[in-house]
Amino acid sequence: AQSVTQLDSHVSVSEGTPVLLRCNYSSSYSPSLFWYVQHPNKGLQLLLKYTSAATLVKGINGFEAEFKKSETSFHLTKPSAHMSDAAEYFCVVSLNQAGTALIFGKGTTLSVSS
Amino acid sequence: DAGVIQSPRHEVTEMGQEVTLRCKPISGHNSLFWYRQTMMRGLELLIYFNNNVPIDDSGMPEDRFSAKMPNASFSTLKIQPSEPRDSAVYFCATLRETRNEQFFGPGTRLTVL
Repeated sequence: AQSVTQLDSHVSVSEGTPVLLRCNYSSSYSPSLFWYVQHPNKGLQLLLKYTSAATLVKGINGFEAEFKKSETSFHLTKPSAHMSDAAEYFCVVSLNQAGTALIFGKGTTLSVSS
Repeated sequence: DAGVIQSPRHEVTEMGQEVTLRCKPISGHNSLFWYRQTMMRGLELLIYFNNNVPIDDSGMPEDRFSAKMPNASFSTLKIQPSEPRDSAVYFCATLRETRNEQFFGPGTRLTVL
């Protein structure tokens, strides 16, 4: 069965320091994986997606994620946090290649202090 | 492109009243999804349409909930009668068949008193 686990419910960083948001997945085949971001009172915005073309995926706003099959992980990183990065981040696995059946992680709240 | 449009953005109603949430998908996207987000349960898929036809409604909580997609440009999610436990943010998302990315609307925050 497909599932996704976000290992931290809350991450706090200082502005200018690196960001690491951790995600592990469970899948019986090569999955499609996504990271979405939700700013307060906003909808979800796609940050990046992995669909087996390349293991290191670059997204918007300087974020990237690396697919590691051996570790069943898809961690999200950014070299230098900005205040505007404060938001909720969701790791998502798709149950099918079409992307019509998504399983969402419980989310990680990122706080950025000055 | 205006993105996925949802209305209203906020709705406050009293228990027992009918509530209708509306969604206009991105033009050309032929799949539409309704989700509910709560603190307790996170994001849950309620129902999914493809080419205006409901494909999977297994997430609809009970008969008080109904959804329609009369054409490719419009969908509604109706709750009748509403209950306080229906209070949540309801998102509409759409997807283009050639890509597997869902695009989300801004959501409707529903409060049932």
